[in-house]
Amino acid sequence: GAVVSQHPSRVICKSGTSVKIECRSLDFQATTMFWYRQFPKQSLMLMATSNEGSKATYEQGVEKDKFLINHASLTLSTLTVTSAHPEDSSFYICSAREQEQNSYGYTFGSGTRLTVV
Amino acid sequence: AQSVTQLDSQVPVFEEAPVELRCNYSSSVSVYLFWYVQYPNQGLQLLLKYLSGSTLVKGINGFEAEFNKSQTSFHLRKPSVHISDTAEYFCAVRPTGSARQLTFGSGTQLTVLP
Repeated sequence: GAVVSQHPSRVICKSGTSVKIECRSLDFQATTMFWYRQFPKQSLMLMATSNEGSKATYEQGVEKDKFLINHASLTLSTLTVTSAHPEDSSFYICSAREQEQNSYGYTFGSGTRLTVV
Repeated sequence: AQSVTQLDSQVPVFEEAPVELRCNYSSSVSVYLFWYVQYPNQGLQLLLKYLSGSTLVKGINGFEAEFNKSQTSFHLRKPSVHISDTAEYFCAVRPTGSARQLTFGSGTQLTVLP
């Protein structure tokens, strides 16, 4: 089946630095990828929708300049947390939709635990 | 817009007992429905989905769910749970006919006790 690889699984960074998270579709092409943030014991909150070759669409309240999304190819989307602060610590999950029209499949990555100290 | 309500935030149950995790949704358009499972520090794994046809859907790990349009519900059931079923379960919907993102419920923590 479809597999989405998300890397790194865990990262600890100093406050003020930037962190890049990669999301790759391994055996299918994904025109659309989604980035979620999950706080402890809570549901997934959609941050942005990433479309290959175009700008990402951000949800209300998500800072575009802080959470940079790049979807340069049909198999790779990246989320960069710029100038990270402790409040950015969270679990980030990506999801990819297969390219086929009317595909119902959404495959999730294994998530990235970001801790900003 | 769509919304999903999972009324039970936590469900403790003894091993080999049956379990039902409740999900209700609200939508002005027709939707597809999904159940996902999340183990600690991992992403989401699809358990089952309802697209059309038979309202009783069977998924992986012995789970099944029934779509009830009149009650706008999609409850998840398993006749006999195992310790390994302990996880967070999320119900989700998305509109048919579009490639929009999923709308998730708040999740239900299922804890299977020995």
